[in-house]
Amino acid sequence: NAGVTQTPKFQVLKTGQSMTLQCAQDMNHEYMSWYRQDPGMGLRLIHYSVGAGITDQGEVPNGYNVSRSTTEDFPLRLLSAAPSQTSVYFCASRNSLRGGVTQYFGPGTRLTVL
Amino acid sequence: SQELEQSPQSLIVQEGKNLTINCTSSKTLYGLYWYKQKYGEGLIFLMMLQKGGEEKSHEKITAKLDEKKQQSSLHITASQPSHAGIYLCGAPNWGAQKLVFGQGTRLTINP
Repeated sequence: NAGVTQTPKFQVLKTGQSMTLQCAQDMNHEYMSWYRQDPGMGLRLIHYSVGAGITDQGEVPNGYNVSRSTTEDFPLRLLSAAPSQTSVYFCASRNSLRGGVTQYFGPGTRLTVL
Repeated sequence: SQELEQSPQSLIVQEGKNLTINCTSSKTLYGLYWYKQKYGEGLIFLMMLQKGGEEKSHEKITAKLDEKKQQSSLHITASQPSHAGIYLCGAPNWGAQKLVFGQGTRLTINP
């Protein structure tokens, strides 16, 4: 199993550009989520999904869109990039909607918005 | 909302020494995860604690959950360079729909 994979690893955008961060998992996990990690602020939840076709907002959803057309994929779209979106983005998945289950993280995407 | 505070924020120890990292919650802990992160990499799962008083060990790393104190500790015995990195604690929140994370503790091991 590859686990949770993310592409690209690094990305530089100009303000106003749009792009999609890809996330895929091959563990047949129901639950997937996107976090951003910023210095001094820890990891914050952007969006999450409890299954194909079902998504919901996290703590910091503004400026981001998600969709979940398959169990495996959970892309994160930046509609119009802003410097405030410069961050490291992590995708995560777990097997169950219950809390006591290990959550697996991808390697992250480092995004810089100029 | 629940907040997790880790201490210390940064730690430099000599190889071979023992060390402890603490994670304190603002609310009752119903579970606690410990992760390790290296620069440019994702979070690597270390351990999950679910019950008060629970203690788990993996190689030279031991974690405990003290529910009464709303605290967890991570102890590394005889530290090695491979232990260097950022250690993060996380707790289930929002009906377990998300993990709330501490700020992280940056561990440096000097040879």
